[in-house]
Amino acid sequence: DTAVSQTPKYLVTQMGNDKSIKCEQNLGHDTMYWYKQDSKKFLKIMFSYNNKELIINETVPNRFSPKSPDKAHLNLHINSLELGDSAVYFCASRADRGYTFGSGTRLTVV
Amino acid sequence: DQQVKQNSPSLSVQEGRISILNCDYTNSMFDYFLWYKKYPAEGPTFLISISSIKDKNEDGRFTVFLNKSAKHLSLHIVPSQPGDSAVYFCAASAGGTSYGKLTFGQGTILTVHP
Repeated sequence: DTAVSQTPKYLVTQMGNDKSIKCEQNLGHDTMYWYKQDSKKFLKIMFSYNNKELIINETVPNRFSPKSPDKAHLNLHINSLELGDSAVYFCASRADRGYTFGSGTRLTVV
Repeated sequence: DQQVKQNSPSLSVQEGRISILNCDYTNSMFDYFLWYKKYPAEGPTFLISISSIKDKNEDGRFTVFLNKSAKHLSLHIVPSQPGDSAVYFCAASAGGTSYGKLTFGQGTILTVHP
């Protein structure tokens, strides 16, 4: 059983499109996150939700909108995609001894 | 402004020897530190952590050392194995383990040669 699962694993899309990435965790954690790994390989936090409530919102363009229908799911919607949005996006949930990450979604905007 | 830095992009070690990965931080509010390991096409996996009230934490072959005065931590892997070859990320958090976002370094690629 995958603890944190993201779909899709790869996403190639054209500029200007709207896309979503889904994340689900079966660990029973209350807190979930979205991180972005940019071209320089830094992992940077984008959002955090605790029990469906937004608690961290870094300086992210408002084209990015997270949605948490329940505490096991945290989806990321991106509107009007731009070339600079190309990156690997990781979902994570919080455990006592660190975070559990999903395997990532590689988004390529062409 | 990178608050967590891993200044060595890569490290190559012979199997059986010690691997030492280094990490520096600038934010004195950080009080919880973690190391993650990442294989290609997978998400980072938690390895070991240390609270700022300690200066050493061990878990099997992995030991993390924290030098608060120098704002420096290191991960020691002894003995190194080829399966340890991966990217290692250092991360830090302020305010204990609750909610706090993790700030990551840019990673060090470790290659362990048989």
